[in-house]
Amino acid sequence: SAVISQKPSRDICQRGTSLTIQCQVDSQVTMMFWYRQQPGQSLTLIATANQGSEATYESGFVIDKFPISRPNLTFSTLTVSNMSPEDSSIYLCSADRGMEAFFGQGTRLTVV
Amino acid sequence: GQQLNQSPQSMFIQEGEDVSMNCTSSSIFNTWLWYKQDPGEGPVLLIALYKAGELTSNGRLTAQFGITRKDSFLNISASIPSDVGIYFCAGQARGSQGNLIFGKGTKLSVKP
Repeated sequence: SAVISQKPSRDICQRGTSLTIQCQVDSQVTMMFWYRQQPGQSLTLIATANQGSEATYESGFVIDKFPISRPNLTFSTLTVSNMSPEDSSIYLCSADRGMEAFFGQGTRLTVV
Repeated sequence: GQQLNQSPQSMFIQEGEDVSMNCTSSSIFNTWLWYKQDPGEGPVLLIALYKAGELTSNGRLTAQFGITRKDSFLNISASIPSDVGIYFCAGQARGSQGNLIFGKGTKLSVKP
């Protein structure tokens, strides 16, 4: 299995500020993915991050709100911009190893 | 869009009992994955299924990829307290590498 490290593991942020979440994979991967898991809910894909190109966003998510970087094949960041309490969620990054998707431990974000 | 119906939503069982949960889809998937999520952690992959009709085991866990490619089930035999957690099914359609559709989860509670 792939080892995926995320940081921070949790944060409490003031509304109106931004938080950047980092995701590091232990090996090179073509595609990385960012998911959101709202309290008590399932996972929803935010965007797919490919190295060397802009991220591809799912319906309901926009680049201005969730800018993503993918500077190399082992690293990606997700920024949650201009946060509001509705952004309080767990944010998870994921990468594929073959046909299987592996997840980081998640970043638990609370916006106050 | 594609939807996954996962049931049951929650289960309360006695240690030693067998557990069964399933997911059905409105459309065909090429891959079915089953994950377990513990509180404060990211989902951990339990079993991956790639072929219609495939039956795969991982210790006390057994999962099957339905013949119609629109459903999958997960069985846990002889449950133990550490089986407690939320179990998610996830499906991946052809041509959507890494883009997983998740079920809403089955919350399992095991009484010693």
